[in-house]
Amino acid sequence: QVQLLQSGAEMKKPGASVTVSCKASGFSFTTFYVHWVRQAPGQGLEWMGMINAGAGDSVHPQKFQDRVSLTRDTSTSSVYMLLTNLGSEDTAFYFCARGPPYSVGPAPLDLWGPGTLVTVSS
Amino acid sequence: QSVLTQPPSVSGAPGQTVSISCAGTSSNVGSGFAVYWYRQLPGSAPRLLISENNNRPSGVPARFSVSKSGSSASLAITGLQAEDEADYYCQSYDSSLSGVIFGGGTKLVVL
Repeated sequence: QVQLLQSGAEMKKPGASVTVSCKASGFSFTTFYVHWVRQAPGQGLEWMGMINAGAGDSVHPQKFQDRVSLTRDTSTSSVYMLLTNLGSEDTAFYFCARGPPYSVGPAPLDLWGPGTLVTVSS
Repeated sequence: QSVLTQPPSVSGAPGQTVSISCAGTSSNVGSGFAVYWYRQLPGSAPRLLISENNNRPSGVPARFSVSKSGSSASLAITGLQAEDEADYYCQSYDSSLSGVIFGGGTKLVVL
């Protein structure tokens, strides 16, 4: 079955880090880019970056340059999103999504994971 | 503040036609970059609804169509049904930001 599965909900304290995983199945993982999009409760979608699942290079918007790290493991068809120095504003659902095999230009995200809720609270 | 501007909400009665706008700038939609639309039901992940040239994933009815003019794009839904009630997001690419951008989302209410 073609799908993206994500790790379970996380609760973290301010200043901590969190890693969310995204495991692909049913398609050729290394052919695509995997994007990360987050959504704070009741808010809109915010793009956090993408990783070339084959080559491993990644692109991030400036807002997340210093706090987000994307990695992949081709042996398990998994992508990992590390977000550091968490604050309350990072409380959100984090989605991984499959994008086309290029890094420049509009990217239709045609397959989404179910989302992982990360809650940051002291 | 989203780079693409959408109305917070639109509404219509069953059977009517509604349109959701997505306003961009010269560094994104106005540069000719494609616009994609997503639908999100409560408690679920977004799903790709329709692409430029009205390419629809399997299962999306032809009641959904898109158009673009200058720096703006629009999603039209004809023959509105109760099941269309959801949040709708537009998405494109911005050359100044060198990245993917989303609209702020529009909540469609079926009266």
